[in-house]
Amino acid sequence: DIQMTQSPSSLPASVGDRVTITCRTSQSISDFLNWYQKKVGKAPKLLIYGASTLQSGVPSRFSGSGSGTDYTLTISGLQPEDFATYYCQQTYSIPWTFGQGTKVEI
Amino acid sequence: QGQLVQSGAEVKRPGSSVKVSCKAPGGTFTKYTFSWVRQAPGQGLEWMGRIIPIISTTNYAQKFQGRVTITADESTSTAYMELSSLKSDDTAMYYCARGYSSSSGSGDWGQGTLVTVAS
Repeated sequence: DIQMTQSPSSLPASVGDRVTITCRTSQSISDFLNWYQKKVGKAPKLLIYGASTLQSGVPSRFSGSGSGTDYTLTISGLQPEDFATYYCQQTYSIPWTFGQGTKVEI
Repeated sequence: QGQLVQSGAEVKRPGSSVKVSCKAPGGTFTKYTFSWVRQAPGQGLEWMGRIIPIISTTNYAQKFQGRVTITADESTSTAYMELSSLKSDDTAMYYCARGYSSSSGSGDWGQGTLVTVAS
């Protein structure tokens, strides 16, 4: 199985901040990397797929980058509604696996 | 969000089985891959398996192999996830998710089904 190491696990931040979350995989996944936002009581929401493609309807302050084994989610100008937990997921090989999550909190 | 509609909450005894349904908007069911993901209380997201209806292929996480069965009924545009030999640590919110392929992510999700396993 491909192991996902996401960091940090917790990220204190303020409205307007630029925040960066990283995801490292145990082997190259050729950009088969997705980012999800998860709020309590809600289903996950796809933000980025293919490492850098913004899902339709997602604000442009979210961006993804990376290649090989190292990937990054950046939120430029944190908004109040962005306080949530973020997960990376690889869909390069079965089983698809998630990172441990990063909680962005005030 | 929530174009997929899941069945309601369940309370089950240890050792029993649960079957959760996930109904998709009609007409394009076989274009998609359906996955099942769960989240136990206070824990992260855990991928359980997927089905590709158009080629009748299923894949499961090793952790659930032998206990989980994912099926799809094209006639009703519904995917199912059945988990057997339930234990207390199977208590979780179970989500279905839909995507075009492994390269597109899962853009549509169900609202979640809470499964509680308790004696």
